[in-house]
Amino acid sequence: NAGVTQTPKFQVLKTGQSMTLQCAQDMNHEYMSWYRQDPGMGLRLIHYSVGAGITDQGEVPNGYNVSRSTTEDFPLRLLSAAPSQTSVYFCASATQRNTEAFFGQGTRLTVV
Amino acid sequence: KNEVEQSPQNLTAQEGEFITINCSYSVGISALHWLQQHPGGGIVSLFMLSSGKKKHGRLIATINIQEKHSSLHITASHPRDSAVYICAAILNDMRFGAGTRLTVKP
Repeated sequence: NAGVTQTPKFQVLKTGQSMTLQCAQDMNHEYMSWYRQDPGMGLRLIHYSVGAGITDQGEVPNGYNVSRSTTEDFPLRLLSAAPSQTSVYFCASATQRNTEAFFGQGTRLTVV
Repeated sequence: KNEVEQSPQNLTAQEGEFITINCSYSVGISALHWLQQHPGGGIVSLFMLSSGKKKHGRLIATINIQEKHSSLHITASHPRDSAVYICAAILNDMRFGAGTRLTVKP
């Protein structure tokens, strides 16, 4: 049982490039979410989804897009990377919004 | 002021010591989540609780809803417990503390 799988684990981008961080879960969870983790700060919610076809913004959504075409997948797109987006990104899933969350291994992104 | 505050930020202990990590929150919550992040970076769920106390092996989590406070205790600490421990207050979404970095020395 893979749980939550994130790819890639590491990525270096140049300013202005775009990319997609992949997230997939095999637990049939309805709720999926993306967070960024910066030094000295708690994880912050970027976007979330309560089910296929439904997405919404979190605390820090600017510069990111998401879609949820299937229950399993919740990709995060950086439209035009900026150095301020250098961070560690985590995807998580849960049966519902307020239930126990399961996290992916994280993606360390550096924008130069 | 953050909605979720953890203390201490850093904690160094000798193997075998009893560890306490504290989490205070300022918002009304439905539950509180304790997470562990190992040096490799992955985050795993330890406990989710909305009242009282939960125990799993050497880990104990308590919560006092009225006082808006939760504690994570580790008994007989071991070097493999070295990690960052994160609390998250759950209302509609999770609001995370900044984490407590625990180092247990042999």
